[in-house]
Amino acid sequence: GDSVTQMEGPVTLSEEAFLTINCTYTATGYPSLFWYVQYPGEGLQLLLKATKADDKGSNKGFEATYRKETTSFHLEKGSVQVSDSAVYFCALSDAGNNRKLIWGLGTSLAVNP
Amino acid sequence: GAGVSQSPRYKVAKRGQDVALRCDPISGHVSLFWYQQALGQGPEFLTYFQNEAQLDKSGLPSDRFFAERPEGSVSTLKIQRTQQEDSAVYLCASSLEAQNNSPLHFGNGTRLTVT
Repeated sequence: GDSVTQMEGPVTLSEEAFLTINCTYTATGYPSLFWYVQYPGEGLQLLLKATKADDKGSNKGFEATYRKETTSFHLEKGSVQVSDSAVYFCALSDAGNNRKLIWGLGTSLAVNP
Repeated sequence: GAGVSQSPRYKVAKRGQDVALRCDPISGHVSLFWYQQALGQGPEFLTYFQNEAQLDKSGLPSDRFFAERPEGSVSTLKIQRTQQEDSAVYLCASSLEAQNNSPLHFGNGTRLTVT
């Protein structure tokens, strides 16, 4: 079945460092891809999404490009801030049932001043 | 309210007890989802409602789990005869529309601990 694999955390960076969190997926159809973020003490929030190959989702300085050839959706940010410290989840919804998200395990990011 | 509200925030139950978890979605949201998130894991789909209709309950792990949304707004997830493996955070999410990719809004979850 469909699945999502994220790089393991925790990831610890200094402020203004470059961030990459890898995400690869397995799907039989043409899924939509998502990054969600969970800040401490808060609920999951949609960070960005892409619905077809070569789409780039972006929000709050974060970007991810839907790469069908490598089945990847890596999250990047050029300069992280302390306020970006959170857990990041990659997820997909398969083409046949877009209402059911399949999630990665999450990657914890800590940014130090 | 401004967001999805879940209650209680924390619940401790003795093994064998029944529990009921409540979700108040954003007013007017058509779709409602329940997910289960075990410690260190990503969320796992449990069930989906469109208004009052439960369209998908394929993720409910056993017949001890039951969800309802009788008036198409508030939803309750009930777990009967709780077991230790039921310990998890139960997340509720709602979305405005029924069609694909309508953004999901998550509540903060209910953390259930079964002792």
